[in-house]
Amino acid sequence: NAGVMQNPRHLVRRRGQEARLRCSPVKGHSHVYWYRQLPEEGLKFMVYLQKENIIDESGMPKERFSAEFPKEGPSILRIQQVVRGDSAAYFCASSPRQTTDTQYFGPGTRLTVL
Amino acid sequence: GENVEQHPSTLSVQEGDSAVIKCTYSDSASNYFPWYKQELGKRPQLIIDIRSNVGEKKDQRIAVTLNKTAKHFSLHITETQPEDSAVYFCAAIGAAGNKLTFGGGTRVLVKP
Repeated sequence: NAGVMQNPRHLVRRRGQEARLRCSPVKGHSHVYWYRQLPEEGLKFMVYLQKENIIDESGMPKERFSAEFPKEGPSILRIQQVVRGDSAAYFCASSPRQTTDTQYFGPGTRLTVL
Repeated sequence: GENVEQHPSTLSVQEGDSAVIKCTYSDSASNYFPWYKQELGKRPQLIIDIRSNVGEKKDQRIAVTLNKTAKHFSLHITETQPEDSAVYFCAAIGAAGNKLTFGGGTRVLVKP
């Protein structure tokens, strides 16, 4: 759905730098999900957030990755000390309610780690 | 947790023929099954979805069937066109009702 906005669309980082990916959900949606897609692979769930709360982070690596969805502003996925294996497309999706509602995807951020 | 298997991984069809993609899931409590189409370099786009209280749903040339007993669901595309060429992903939402678990994807090529 065109309503989910992500920026930047492309991000290049050198190993050891930090990457910040932003996601603005569809207006009125209070549930945000982050997924990662490695080259030539499917999408894998990372984290599910509501405003000011992390609901499920079972798919997120334990180290270097964090996510937030503040009361005001976009959701942020932060990757510290990036490594080459972090190169992927990161998609954000949003839905209006939690249970079995359609998730609309943003255009993704393609992260390249040199 | 939920596990979703998708077959085939690649599918080549002649324009005008039908394409069928099948998925199985492991969590019997899963109750929502969307299908996404992803073109190269683009976002996944929802093309059809089905909920567990329905056995079949159709939208023009696209249909989805669900067999809860066997825990499998299928996507059917009739009268395929070159613009149907893309990667298709099935997904399921389990009892927890939040995250989508995706199948591995099917790369569909429609030959003119």
